[in-house]
Amino acid sequence: GAGVSQSPRYKVAKRGQDVALRCDPISGHVSLFWYQQALGQGPEFLTYFQNEAQLDKSGLPSDRFFAERPEGSVSTLKIQRTQQEDSAVYLCASSLGAENEKLFFGSGTQLSVL
Amino acid sequence: QQQVKQSPQSLIVQKGGISIINCAYENTAFDYFPWYQQFPGKGPALLIAIRPDVSEKKEGRFTISFNKSAKQFSLHIMDSQPGDSATYFCAASSFTGFQKLVFGTGTRLLVSP
Repeated sequence: GAGVSQSPRYKVAKRGQDVALRCDPISGHVSLFWYQQALGQGPEFLTYFQNEAQLDKSGLPSDRFFAERPEGSVSTLKIQRTQQEDSAVYLCASSLGAENEKLFFGSGTQLSVL
Repeated sequence: QQQVKQSPQSLIVQKGGISIINCAYENTAFDYFPWYQQFPGKGPALLIAIRPDVSEKKEGRFTISFNKSAKQFSLHIMDSQPGDSATYFCAASSFTGFQKLVFGTGTRLLVSP
């Protein structure tokens, strides 16, 4: 079956622009995560959804970052007024349920802010 | 604060050799320790995982060794193959309503033919 799908694959933004990154999790997966991966680093947790509820957003770097999952399936990560330090790969992952340990990651969106 | 420290940063192993990657953690509440494999342009994929109630877990050529008292765990890749060339991440988590993984900084493995 289909895995986690993310779009766009690449995004180039001018500093100050708003961007929206989309994640389609595996069908039926209750849990959805967003991670940020800087070049040469491990993924860092941003936020977690259980169905449509955002239960943890402690990893969001600033109030310019906003995530939503209104119908409990597709999720969007929005970054307002992008800055150069926002350049990274944004990874989405899903799992069957909150207690299920196996995360399935998408290929990510590579964001470059010029 | 880096909660999971990973070494080495990079590793070159000859085909057929053993690759060893080490991780150390600080948070004693961690109770789940997975290893993820990432190829260029792809997301991380779960390779193998262990819980602290056992000291070793083996799946095919991949083995995790776990030392709870030292707060260390390692990945051993036996009979390393060129197709194993990738970046490997250790991670750790404790269940706090969900699995919030903390990742190491990664090890870039190159297996030479």
